[in-house]
Amino acid sequence: QVQLVQSGAEVKKPGASVRVSCTASGYTFAYTIHWVRQAPGQRLEWMGWINVGNGKTKYSGDLQDRVTFATDTYANTVSMKLSSLRSEDTAVYYCTGPDPIASGNYFDFWGQGSLVIVSS
Amino acid sequence: EIVLTQSPVTLSLSPGERATLSCRASQSVGSQLAWYQQKPGLAPRLLIYDVSNRATDIPARFSGSGSGTDFTLTISSLEPEDFAVYYCQQRSIWPTFGGGTKVEIK
Repeated sequence: QVQLVQSGAEVKKPGASVRVSCTASGYTFAYTIHWVRQAPGQRLEWMGWINVGNGKTKYSGDLQDRVTFATDTYANTVSMKLSSLRSEDTAVYYCTGPDPIASGNYFDFWGQGSLVIVSS
Repeated sequence: EIVLTQSPVTLSLSPGERATLSCRASQSVGSQLAWYQQKPGLAPRLLIYDVSNRATDIPARFSGSGSGTDFTLTISSLEPEDFAVYYCQQRSIWPTFGGGTKVEIK
């Protein structure tokens, strides 16, 4: 059974950077991890993905200048770094991943979410 | 960007009633549409993918239909645990989500 466990909540000042990690267990196949965020009262917003096997990434157009995904294959951990934080980046950040033998390319597995608060 | 518009925003129903949720896309997404359920403080849970396929362990009371730009999630008889927020999501180009429908107890 695949499990995604994320790092804890963070409070940051505007202009700072934040890194959220996601540790995966239970995968028996090559996988990608996507990042999705949810600001208070807003819809879910897709941020991009990283292929854990080869490190390839794709970022959403709105965030590509400020977001970076990285992977530590040995530790089965993926991280998301968001720079130049603004108040509107306050959100719960989720790592999520598809099950290629189930839904194929939708979000079957989810981390528990990491709250990031940006406030001066 | 493909915009997904969900209606109604809130649906007030009683346990045992039928729930019908709508999702409309700004352009065709073919059959690349999913539905998720989210309860307060929890991550979303995949219910339906590719319009009408139930995800693992999802009860048969959940069903999906539609194609192109208009899609429907139906819950045939609401159970107490079904009161939650529901989101549609497309993956035609890059993933986007709808604004959600809250199913609340009447």
